Amino acid sequence: GDSVTQMEGPVTLSEEAFLTINCTYTATGYPSLFWYVQYPGEGLQLLLKATKADDKGSNKGFEATYRKETTSFHLEKGSVQVSDSAVYFCALSQTGANNLFFGTGTRLTVIP
Amino acid sequence: EPEVTQTPSHQVTQMGQEVILRCVPISNHLYFYWYRQILGQKVEFLVSFYNNEISEKSEIFDDQFSVERPDGSNFTLKIRSTKLEDSAMYFCASVGESGLVGELFFGEGSRLTVL
Repeated sequence: GDSVTQMEGPVTLSEEAFLTINCTYTATGYPSLFWYVQYPGEGLQLLLKATKADDKGSNKGFEATYRKETTSFHLEKGSVQVSDSAVYFCALSQTGANNLFFGTGTRLTVIP
Repeated sequence: EPEVTQTPSHQVTQMGQEVILRCVPISNHLYFYWYRQILGQKVEFLVSFYNNEISEKSEIFDDQFSVERPDGSNFTLKIRSTKLEDSAMYFCASVGESGLVGELFFGEGSRLTVL
């Protein structure tokens, strides 16, 4: 079945460091891929998405590229800020499907 | 900005007790969902609800679970007789008329602890 495997956390970085959070997936066909973020005390929010191979989703300085050849959708940011401290979830959905398959989430803490 | 609100934020209950988790989705949304995350595990889909009926449910969503939209604003998840393994964070979500899962708005979650 469809599934998402996410890099284990927690991840602690200094401000302005480079961030990568790995995400790989198993799915039939051509799913859409997502990164959600949960800031402390808030709900999960869509951060970015990509709906087909080689698409790059980007938002708030974060980027992820849909790589079908490696079945990956790694999240990157060139220079993290303290305000990026949150839990990040990778997810996929099949076209027309009614639900999302999530990873376990990766907690990121950015220290000044 | 519109948001999905959930109550309670944390509930502790004894095994075998009934629990109701409440959600107020965004007011003009039409599709409603419950997901859960057991500590250290993946966020899992439980159920989706549209037009006053369940549209899809996972294997997890057995007879102990039920959902209801009792009025025009609330969306509830009931667990009839809680088990230890029901301890988890429960997330409610909603989406508008597009029905696209990529446009889901999530609440901040209700943590359920079953003792």
